[in-house]
Amino acid sequence: RKEVEQDPGPFNVPEGATVAFNCTYSNSASQSFFWYRQDCRKEPKLLMSVYSSGNEDGRFTAQLNRASQYISLLIRDSKLSDSATYLCVVIGAGSYQLTFGKGTKLSVIP
Amino acid sequence: DAGITQSPRHKVTETGTPVTLRCHQTENHRYMYWYRQDPGHGLRLIHYSYGVKDTDKGEVSDGYSVSRSKTEDFLLTLESATSSQTSVYFCAITREDSGNEQYFGPGTRLTVT
Repeated sequence: RKEVEQDPGPFNVPEGATVAFNCTYSNSASQSFFWYRQDCRKEPKLLMSVYSSGNEDGRFTAQLNRASQYISLLIRDSKLSDSATYLCVVIGAGSYQLTFGKGTKLSVIP
Repeated sequence: DAGITQSPRHKVTETGTPVTLRCHQTENHRYMYWYRQDPGHGLRLIHYSYGVKDTDKGEVSDGYSVSRSKTEDFLLTLESATSSQTSVYFCAITREDSGNEQYFGPGTRLTVT
């Protein structure tokens, strides 16, 4: 089983739609979780950390389910500017090393 | 913006030549990383550093070496470049005071012909 798995997409959604991305991780001892966004030919940029209690930042909501080893990202009211690749990232216990999923590509269509 | 710069931003080199990529940070972070990103593989860790002269190997370290003689600079060297090392290389730092979030430099696009 791969360490961090994501549906590669692409997800093609109309403006205003709600879209959800899922990510599973294999190391049950993983401690920290993040979603990054990467635009074409640019560096990954931190979108949000994922906390055990779930967290929200504007139109974005992240959830963590430790029992199922599953992370999700929900984007509400999609904008054209949300088009990007979304990377799920996990850090193992006692480590500063990140493990990246391969990313899910989102295209928001007018 | 985490104050990370990479140089060069683009480089074309020939097989067999040595290449050094530089990562520079201005915020005194202890942890620095080198990744490569290739289609179908995502981001993979090459080497990382946890302080001056303290480095360790990542997932895909063969053919690469690193050095960190100053906190602010982390160098990645391809001793003898091969076409399989054509890739986009990203440097990153960890913000230990911010939940271990990692921030990336703008990347170096390397082509080995």
